[in-house]
Amino acid sequence: EAGVAQSPRYKIIEKRQSVAFWCNPISGHATLYWYQQILGQGPKLLIQFQNNGVVDDSQLPKDRFSAERLKGVDSTLKIQPAKLEDSAVYLCASSRRYGYTFGSGTRLTVV
Amino acid sequence: GQQLNQSPQSMFIQEGEDVSMNCTSSSIFNTWLWYKQDPGEGPVLLIALYKAGELTSNGRLTAQFGITRKDSFLNISASIPSDVGIYFCAGQLLNYQLIWGAGTKLIIKP
Repeated sequence: EAGVAQSPRYKIIEKRQSVAFWCNPISGHATLYWYQQILGQGPKLLIQFQNNGVVDDSQLPKDRFSAERLKGVDSTLKIQPAKLEDSAVYLCASSRRYGYTFGSGTRLTVV
Repeated sequence: GQQLNQSPQSMFIQEGEDVSMNCTSSSIFNTWLWYKQDPGEGPVLLIALYKAGELTSNGRLTAQFGITRKDSFLNISASIPSDVGIYFCAGQLLNYQLIWGAGTKLIIKP
């Protein structure tokens, strides 16, 4: 089966600019996750979708981050405006039940 | 919030040596997962453990789900250069969310 697709792979923006990431999960996986991984740390959950509904967004900085999953398939994560501390790898993952399959991530650098 | 204590933080080993790392938690998990992350890639699932006491192998990798459901270990036998990377443990909650360890960085000495 095809894996989790993410784009872009890399993005460099200036602080206060906006950025969007895209994720296409594995076909048939109802659950989709966005994680933020800062260098040297484990992934931190930002938001969890079940189909097109939000299950948990308690750790999403909602003043600047937003995410949507239209039609329960693809998802986008947006940051507006970006801060220096948002520099990280943003990972998308999908699952049926146990264990996740991760995409390769988008490495964001905010300068 | 819930946290996993993963150790060691990093390991320097010779090729051919066996490797052991572990994770402990103050909370009980129903599922333990071990992932490996290579530079520039997302984590890849190595082994999933679903029952307390379960011992599961995947090639040269062996992992166990602790009997108390609060710990797990991962062993790698006869390490090879491609084993280099960061290994993460994760405990899965009933809502399928994962609680992650901080990772063990494996480095093979030339």
